[in-house]
Amino acid sequence: QVQLVESGGGVVQPGKSLRLSCAVAGFTFSRYGMHWVRQAPGKGLEWLAVITYDGSSQYYVDSVKGRFTISRDNSKNTLYLQMNSLRPEDTAVYYCAKSFYSGSVLNWFDPWGQGTLVTVSS
Amino acid sequence: EIVLTQSPATLSLSPGERATLSCTASQSVASYLAWYQQKPGQAPRLLIFDASNRATGIPARFSGSGSGTDFTLTISSLEPEDFALYYCQHRTNWPPSWTFGQGTRVEIK
Repeated sequence: QVQLVESGGGVVQPGKSLRLSCAVAGFTFSRYGMHWVRQAPGKGLEWLAVITYDGSSQYYVDSVKGRFTISRDNSKNTLYLQMNSLRPEDTAVYYCAKSFYSGSVLNWFDPWGQGTLVTVSS
Repeated sequence: EIVLTQSPATLSLSPGERATLSCTASQSVASYLAWYQQKPGQAPRLLIFDASNRATGIPARFSGSGSGTDFTLTISSLEPEDFALYYCQHRTNWPPSWTFGQGTRVEIK
């Protein structure tokens, strides 16, 4: 079945960098757009970034534009999120999610990984 | 920027009762709306997409309706496993972006 497994979270100091990974299985990764979404403790969901199935285009929410970079390696069935200049307000559980259907990214998120916790604190 | 407002914040109901959750957009979003369920400690799960289509494996007691600015998620008869958080979500075509409502908690009365 479809599986998405995030890794790379942890405690990091403000201003530092972290790279998250999302390893996938159970579907043809290279046919689907992929997303990152985060959820601060006790808060709601915030979409962060999307990458097209072939990696040719990426789009970001304004709050992370210029600091975060989404990328993918279709040969490794892995999605990434490079996070630079981290701030305490970036503390959250970070989820990767698959586009519901293949081709265009203009659809919905299904399924999601279990998430990885990033804590930004000195 | 389109804002999604969900109401009520909390819905207190008993198993077997009908749940009606609302999501209002600050401007028309056509039918570009989805609903997700999130249980404690779990990732969200897609329930409804394009306002009224059930996702794969979602029970028929879940239904979505609406278009434009006003949307509703209805759970016809609450099962114990339905007590959870529910989020609506909107997407824009260009540039591609997605926003979520603040959520409605369905709790056991």
